[in-house]
Amino acid sequence: QQPVQSPQAVILREGEDAVINCSSSKALYSVHWYRQKHGEAPVFLMILLKGGEQKGHEKISASFNEKKQQSSLYLTASQLSYSGTYFCGTDVSMTNTGNQFYFGTGTSLTVIP
Amino acid sequence: DAGVIQSPRHEVTEMGQEVTLRCKPISGHNSLFWYRQTMMRGLELLIYFNNNVPIDDSGMPEDRFSAKMPNASFSTLKIQPSEPRDSAVYFCASSRITSGGPGTQYFGPGTRLLVL
Repeated sequence: QQPVQSPQAVILREGEDAVINCSSSKALYSVHWYRQKHGEAPVFLMILLKGGEQKGHEKISASFNEKKQQSSLYLTASQLSYSGTYFCGTDVSMTNTGNQFYFGTGTSLTVIP
Repeated sequence: DAGVIQSPRHEVTEMGQEVTLRCKPISGHNSLFWYRQTMMRGLELLIYFNNNVPIDDSGMPEDRFSAKMPNASFSTLKIQPSEPRDSAVYFCASSRITSGGPGTQYFGPGTRLLVL
């Protein structure tokens, strides 16, 4: 039930663009994206809800394809500060008492000068 | 507003000892999550609570692990007895789930556990 991310790792030069994909085997109600820097806790980037998409901050945006049960994170004109491991988090169901949430396998992104 | 608070930040213990990790969620949040992170398995959801009630503990590895949330402002994750393979970073996160859907999860700084 853990969503699969691709690529596993990517190295970029400053200013280049990157796309990170997240694919689930379950129907999704929402997708969250987080970034974790080495030695730190994951930090929320954005959430995409079923029926729409929501842009995050800086030059990072995302899309959510409900039919394909996929989400993609787009990083444009990358900066050194974008380096880290990116995780998608997926809500696979909603009940009266809560939701089931799974983090993806992670994508390591390194931006070099 | 203070973020999620976890204690201790680092714990080194010997195999067989009991370990208790603590978490104070953000005030007003109604959901709390415990995660374990290792190089091999990545981020794993162990258990989460909604309004202090455990909702899904399917991620708890075995009976040696137990979690409680006696009130809205405190939760513990206990490992008894601990084993070297339990060595990991344990994160606590909290969020506010509303009828509009799931909320953003705010993570604590984590507890780095080393079992010798």
